[in-house]
Amino acid sequence: DVKVTQSSRYLVKRTGEKVFLECVQDMDHENMFWYRQDPGLGLRLIYFSYDVKMKEKGDIPEGYSVSREKKERFSLILESASTNQTSMYLCASIRTANYGYTFGSGTRLTVV
Amino acid sequence: QKEVEQNSGPLSVPEGAIASLNCTYSDRGSQSFFWYRQYSGKSPELIMSIYSNGDKEDGRFTAQLNKASQYVSLLIRDSQPSDSATYLCAVRGYGGSQGNLIFGKGTKLSVKP
Repeated sequence: DVKVTQSSRYLVKRTGEKVFLECVQDMDHENMFWYRQDPGLGLRLIYFSYDVKMKEKGDIPEGYSVSREKKERFSLILESASTNQTSMYLCASIRTANYGYTFGSGTRLTVV
Repeated sequence: QKEVEQNSGPLSVPEGAIASLNCTYSDRGSQSFFWYRQYSGKSPELIMSIYSNGDKEDGRFTAQLNKASQYVSLLIRDSQPSDSATYLCAVRGYGGSQGNLIFGKGTKLSVKP
């Protein structure tokens, strides 16, 4: 089975901190995605990447950046964390565009 | 703006009954359709995918797709308390060449023993 691993299950950070969320997949998948999930708002796409060093903005990229230096790793960066970035962050990957996502276990980030 | 709509629920069914979950989408060019199950506090898990009109069955789950009506549904037969979760409908539109999915907000299902 494909495994998508997010490095932290729970994180608490202070306002203004730079935050790194890491995601690693072990099946040589091309495409990787970062979503956030909030009650009443559902899953919203932040950024995605279809190749090493390639990135595309999703629906809500403001306040975030990403890095994909290696195929298996896709990092989400909160440049200066704010309380409205408190959320569940989900990483996903797919082998090709025809398939459904495999999600990581999620990181619940609280910004205080 | 491409949209995927689901009734938020909660949908409550007795154990052993059929649960019917519905989803509509706005992009007529959508190509691929998925159902995810999400338990509280957990990440979504893919349970069904469907790509062409008609029914697709997998165990107790049946996905139904009607592209003309822009409608996709999920039937769960012989519902069990362990099926209690939020079910997310996801759609890959015509422009989703890089694979990105658009998700509905989910329907919460409660199966009562």
